[in-house]
Amino acid sequence: GENVEQHPSTLSVQEGDSAVIKCTYSDSASNYFPWYKQELGKGPQLIIDIRSNVGEKKDQRIAVTLNKTAKHFSLHITETQPEDSAVYFCAASIYPGQLTFGSGTQLTVLP
Amino acid sequence: GAGVSQSPSNKVTEKGKDVELRCDPISGHTALYWYRQSLGQGLEFLIYFQGNSAPDKSGLPSDRFSAERTGGSVSTLTIQRTQQEDSAVYLCASSFPLAGDYTGELFFGEGSRLTVL
Repeated sequence: GENVEQHPSTLSVQEGDSAVIKCTYSDSASNYFPWYKQELGKGPQLIIDIRSNVGEKKDQRIAVTLNKTAKHFSLHITETQPEDSAVYFCAASIYPGQLTFGSGTQLTVLP
Repeated sequence: GAGVSQSPSNKVTEKGKDVELRCDPISGHTALYWYRQSLGQGLEFLIYFQGNSAPDKSGLPSDRFSAERTGGSVSTLTIQRTQQEDSAVYLCASSFPLAGDYTGELFFGEGSRLTVL
């Protein structure tokens, strides 16, 4: 089955700096790659996703890039703000809805 | 409310007892999922219901775990003879049908935190 590895497990950045989180996946058949943000005591919430026919997608301060050849994808957050502090999960999917998640990255934005 | 509702939010039980966790999905969502999140870990897929199809139980860790979904809406995850390693947050999610409005997005509840003493 699919295996998703996520790095780093923790990341601290100064407010205003950029943050990058990287994931690799094992199954070349995966075609959907979402990123979820989980705030303390809440369920994960989708922040951005990308499909395998697209190399990059951007939504305001958040962007995701996908390299299908290398089987890795990354989340980029620019101009970080304290409210960006949370746990971020990448995921990969072959079949709709059946996601395999990475182990998460605890992002802390220092004021 | 409009979101996925889970109950109880917290459950403390003794080893060997059975527990039931409930999930009420968003109205109109025919797909329902259970995930388990252990401390500091990612989300582990448990089971997936899609409409009237047979559920995908491939993620259930042992035969002590079972889930049902009555009337295509509310789901109950049951853990029999609980063990300490079952302690985790159990997250339920729902999504639109796999056609039409389906975008791939899962809508998660806030989870049920299970502690087995």
